[in-house]
Amino acid sequence: GAGVSQTPSNKVTEKGKYVELRCDPISGHTALYWYRQSLGQGPEFLIYFQGTGAADDSGLPNDRFFAVRPEGSVSTLKIQRTERGDSAVYLCASSLGQGRSPLHFGNGTRLTVT
Amino acid sequence: AQTVTQSQPEMSVQEAETVTLSCTYDTSENNYYLFWYKQPPSRQMILVIRQEAYKQQNATENRFSVNFQKAAKSFSLKISDSQLGDTAMYFCALPISGNTPLVFGKGTRLSVIA
Repeated sequence: GAGVSQTPSNKVTEKGKYVELRCDPISGHTALYWYRQSLGQGPEFLIYFQGTGAADDSGLPNDRFFAVRPEGSVSTLKIQRTERGDSAVYLCASSLGQGRSPLHFGNGTRLTVT
Repeated sequence: AQTVTQSQPEMSVQEAETVTLSCTYDTSENNYYLFWYKQPPSRQMILVIRQEAYKQQNATENRFSVNFQKAAKSFSLKISDSQLGDTAMYFCALPISGNTPLVFGKGTRLSVIA
């Protein structure tokens, strides 16, 4: 079956612009996660959805970052007033739930802020 | 605070040989799951193996096995008969607590040499 799909695969934007990153999870997966991965580092947690609600957004670095999942499926990560430090690969993952369920990842979106 | 430590930033192994990647962690939980993920240059994170902390038997998946030492909070990955396709970043991960998202280590870059 189809895996986790992320679009676009690459995004270049100018400092100060607004960007949206999209994630389409595996059908039937209720949990959805956003991670950010800087060069040479492991993924860092940003936000986690269970259904439509954000169950844990403690990883969002500041109020420029926001994510939604209005119908409990597709999610959009939104970044306002982008800064060069936001440049990274943004990974989305989905799972059947927490704890024992492994995460299934997409290929990520590489965001470059110039 | 939850930490996951991978002390080997880079490792190399000859094709067909065996290599072990180390991971130590800190958690206050008693029952939890631990995971090893592989990230090839294609960027997609792929689940390699999963271990349930309450099981004494070490998990095995074909050429991949773990050495799980619960008391020592150690979770190493052994790759037998290494293949060129095993070249990738390898990340150890576990939940902070029972129902929180995975925390990842910084990764070990493994190169398999022909």
